[in-house]
Amino acid sequence: GAGVSQTPSNKVTEKGKYVELRCDPISGHTALYWYRQSLGQGPEFLIYFQGTGAADDSGLPNDRFFAVRPEGSVSTLKIQRTERGDSAVYLCASSYGNNEQFFGPGTRLTVL
Amino acid sequence: SQQGEEDPQALSIQEGENATMNCSYKTSINNLQWYRQNSGRGLVHLILIRSNEREKHSGRLRVTLDTSKKSSSLLITASRAADTASYFCATDVGTALIFGKGTTLSVSS
Repeated sequence: GAGVSQTPSNKVTEKGKYVELRCDPISGHTALYWYRQSLGQGPEFLIYFQGTGAADDSGLPNDRFFAVRPEGSVSTLKIQRTERGDSAVYLCASSYGNNEQFFGPGTRLTVL
Repeated sequence: SQQGEEDPQALSIQEGENATMNCSYKTSINNLQWYRQNSGRGLVHLILIRSNEREKHSGRLRVTLDTSKKSSSLLITASRAADTASYFCATDVGTALIFGKGTTLSVSS
């Protein structure tokens, strides 16, 4: 079956703009995760959804970052007033229960 | 914060040789997972080892886990050029995975 998909694959925006990044998890996976990966680093946890609710958002760096998963499937990561430091690859993963997480290809965000 | 630390940071070997990467972590875990990443995108899950397991095999991969030392190792036997990638260990401490900075493996033919 289809894996985790993310759109867009690349996003270039200007400082101060608003962006939305979308994640389509594997069908039937109840858990969804967002991570951010900067160059030369491992992925860093941002937020975790179990169903429709954010079970853990402790990794969100500040209140400019917000994520939703209104129907328990697709999730959108929203970044307001983007800053150059937000440039990174944003990765989404899904899992069924406490098992291995399957990652999407990521969205490369560049803030000019 | 990053809990896992891989060692070495970079490793260069010839095709056919074995590659060993180590990972150390700080707190108690539910399980430990190894991932491969090519060209900075698309993490591929390699193997999961649970905290009550000591060794696990999958094809040319062998993973060990020593919870008393809070360390794990990934062995890739008979390496191929296609194994060139970054390898990350990730510890599951509850709701999310905590990744290290990774080991960059380069296999030359």
